[in-house]
Amino acid sequence: RKEVEQDPGPFNVPEGATVAFNCTYSNSASQSFFWYRQDCRKEPKLLMSVYSSGNEDGRFTAQLNRASQYISLLIRDSKLSDSATYLCVVIFTGNQFYFGTGTSLTVIP
Amino acid sequence: DTGVSQDPRHKITKRGQNVTFRCDPISEHNRLYWYRQTLGQGPEFLTYFQNEAQLEKSRLLSDRFSAERPKGSFSTLEIQRTEQGDSAMYLCASSRDRGGRAFFGQGTRLTVV
Repeated sequence: RKEVEQDPGPFNVPEGATVAFNCTYSNSASQSFFWYRQDCRKEPKLLMSVYSSGNEDGRFTAQLNRASQYISLLIRDSKLSDSATYLCVVIFTGNQFYFGTGTSLTVIP
Repeated sequence: DTGVSQDPRHKITKRGQNVTFRCDPISEHNRLYWYRQTLGQGPEFLTYFQNEAQLEKSRLLSDRFSAERPKGSFSTLEIQRTEQGDSAMYLCASSRDRGGRAFFGQGTRLTVV
């Protein structure tokens, strides 16, 4: 089983829609959680950290469920510019960042 | 620009040749990571430095791969006797704190022909 698993999609949603991605992780000792965004042929860029209490940044909401070992990302009022691959990232112990394979999102006009 | 920078951005090499990539992390970051990414996959961990010490190496890092960070600042990743399977994007990232946010460079895209 992979350390971090994501549904690769693709998710094709109309502009203005709400879309949610989930990511599961295998190690219950995981310490830190992040969502990164990656545009085609570009480097991953940090979108937001994920905290136990959940956190929101504008149209983006991230949540962590330690009991079920998953994190989620909710995007409200999708924009065309949100089209990208969203990578779930988990740090277990030590220092490695474990990446999911990414979920592809296309927002359609 | 105070972000992570990588050089070169693109490299095309013939099979069997050696290649070396450079990464300059964000200056106050003491942690530096190398990752490899192929099409349709998430980045895969290769190795990690804290200052000049290489603390972790992935099983993916065969004997043909070597990484250094001699003065705890920039790092180099060398691939010897390149194979077609080495073709990928090689990403460098740096972070300040253990378990903290990592910032990526733009990557070096390697094509082995």
